[in-house]
Amino acid sequence: EVQLVEAGGILVQPGGSLRLSCAASGFTFSSYDMHWVRQAPGKGLEFVSAISSNGVTTYYANSVQGRFTISRDNSKNTLYLQMANLRAEDTAIYYCASANMYWGQGTLVTVSS
Amino acid sequence: QPVLTQSSSASASLGSSVKLTCALSSGHSSYIIAWHQQQPGKAPRYLMKLETSGSYNKGSGVPDRFSGSSSGADRYLTISDLQSEDEADYYCETWDSNSRVFGGGTKLTVL
Repeated sequence: EVQLVEAGGILVQPGGSLRLSCAASGFTFSSYDMHWVRQAPGKGLEFVSAISSNGVTTYYANSVQGRFTISRDNSKNTLYLQMANLRAEDTAIYYCASANMYWGQGTLVTVSS
Repeated sequence: QPVLTQSSSASASLGSSVKLTCALSSGHSSYIIAWHQQQPGKAPRYLMKLETSGSYNKGSGVPDRFSGSSSGADRYLTISDLQSEDEADYYCETWDSNSRVFGGGTKLTVL
């Protein structure tokens, strides 16, 4: 069974930093591009970032470019999102998703003072 | 970058059928899309990939009541024999080499 399990979401102050992780199992993690997608309260889905299967190539939405860093450790089957200089508008559920269309259950990040 | 347009809401009666639409922007009519379902309070769930030809490939465990079709730049999701558990938000999605692009979602109400 494929599982994507996110962790790391908490309440953080504006300007703060946070690292999310996503542990993958049930498929060959190293063969697939991986993505972070977020959903603000009551809103739709928004692409955040993507990383190639080998970790060499990364992409970011304009809204997070320069503040967020995506990475992966294929030896640990784990995806990461390092988030810095957080803003109130970054408040959302962050989902890990695979290029073969699996979704995690999400982790809530709240940016508030 | 492609833009996907969905109606914000739809409704249909229990046991009936409904057809949801996702329109691809001009110049992107050949793109493959995916449909995802998001039940209230849950994570999205992949339903199917849908090609320009109308052929589709469903995810594991997706009921036969769910089907897809295409016409030009429009992509459709048809749900037959509506059940109460089909009440959800439905998102279409496409992608290019750099990112994933989502439609705004359609909130389906089962009456």
